[in-house]
Amino acid sequence: GQQVMQIPQYQHVQEGEDFTTYCNSSTTLSNIQWYKQRPGGHPVFLIQLVKSGEVKKQKRLTFQFGEAKKNSSLHITATQTTDVGTYFCAGPNAGKSTFGDGTTLTVKP
Amino acid sequence: DTAVSQTPKYLVTQMGNDKSIKCEQNLGHDTMYWYKQDSKKFLKIMFSYNNKELIINETVPNRFSPKSPDKAHLNLHINSLELGDSAVYFCASSQTSQGTNEKLFFGSGTQLSVL
Repeated sequence: GQQVMQIPQYQHVQEGEDFTTYCNSSTTLSNIQWYKQRPGGHPVFLIQLVKSGEVKKQKRLTFQFGEAKKNSSLHITATQTTDVGTYFCAGPNAGKSTFGDGTTLTVKP
Repeated sequence: DTAVSQTPKYLVTQMGNDKSIKCEQNLGHDTMYWYKQDSKKFLKIMFSYNNKELIINETVPNRFSPKSPDKAHLNLHINSLELGDSAVYFCASSQTSQGTNEKLFFGSGTQLSVL
């Protein structure tokens, strides 16, 4: 079945540094979603990408969907302490979302 | 008004007990889900219901039994709890079935600890 792999599993950065998490699927995706889960919280939807090569921005966050629609990335410019949490990608698979294993970001002030 | 609410937030119980987690959504969504998040934060779907009908039933022990009395409610009953059941259980909902990868709205989670 479809697998969605996400790397790295953990990332520690100094405040102000950039951060990127990568998501790779074993199959072509019709779309991909990104979620953020704050420590002790629940996953919250960030964005959905649908088109091949699509790039979307939300303030300091940049989301990309690969040309082959098998990979995606989330880049955060100049991280802040409010960015801490676990970021998940999710792709559709047989009527359900398959979540990547997540990348947990910690930011040192 | 909380969109997806689940209770209790924390559940501590002994092995072998039976417990239930309740979930309600006031978004008017058709589809509801139960996800399990383990200590490594891996999120795995357990069940989904569309308009009270079970549509996804992953490889979950039959000690876990979901019940949807109406499309706004999806409860999870767990029999004979085991240590390995300790996890955070999230309820979620979406407008329609996930066939089109609808946006998921998650509840705040139930931290289950089996002693």
